Amino acid sequence: GQQLNQSPQSMFIQEGEDVSMNCTSSSIFNTWLWYKQDPGEGPVLLIALYKAGELTSNGRLTAQFGITRKDSFLNISASIPSDVGIYFCAGRNFGNEKLTFGTGTRLTIIP
Amino acid sequence: NAGVTQTPKFQVLKTGQSMTLQCAQDMNHNSMYWYRQDPGMGLRLIYYSASEGTTDKGEVPNGYNVSRLNKREFSLRLESAAPSQTSVYFCASSGRQGRTGELFFGEGSRLTVL
Repeated sequence: GQQLNQSPQSMFIQEGEDVSMNCTSSSIFNTWLWYKQDPGEGPVLLIALYKAGELTSNGRLTAQFGITRKDSFLNISASIPSDVGIYFCAGRNFGNEKLTFGTGTRLTIIP
Repeated sequence: NAGVTQTPKFQVLKTGQSMTLQCAQDMNHNSMYWYRQDPGMGLRLIYYSASEGTTDKGEVPNGYNVSRLNKREFSLRLESAAPSQTSVYFCASSGRQGRTGELFFGEGSRLTVL
């Protein structure tokens, strides 16, 4: 099956820093999505991307759908304490109900 | 608006026992899903239902059965629980036209099999 490699696996940053994480696939996707999971909760959709090259923002979050269709990037600017959590990328192809999830990037903010 | 509701939130079973995880959504979504989440493994799809009356296997269906009872409800059953099924289980739904990748998740059900 398709594999999604997400990096880094974990990040330790100070409040106010910018964050970058990415996701790469062994094959192409038509849709890329980014989810965030708070401790003890289910994942929540942050951004959905539907076109290669698309750059989409949601507040301080910006995500890009890679031109090759095999990767996606998520940036968080000026991190704040509520950004702590696990960020998952996910990919999907048209006509396929199934999403493939990455293994997640755990973000921790150091006091 | 409750969204996706899962019960129970916590459950401890002994090996060989059976149980059913319940899920209901109030968003009139066509598609519903069951995922399991294990440390370092991300979310893996167990079963999904693209519409009322249909179910299909996902990535890790062995040891599980599902029932799409109606449009709102999608249950996951473990007939004979095994320690390898210790996990956090998430139900999700989606339904926006052309946006079936946009999932709404429940809060999770934490299952321990001894």
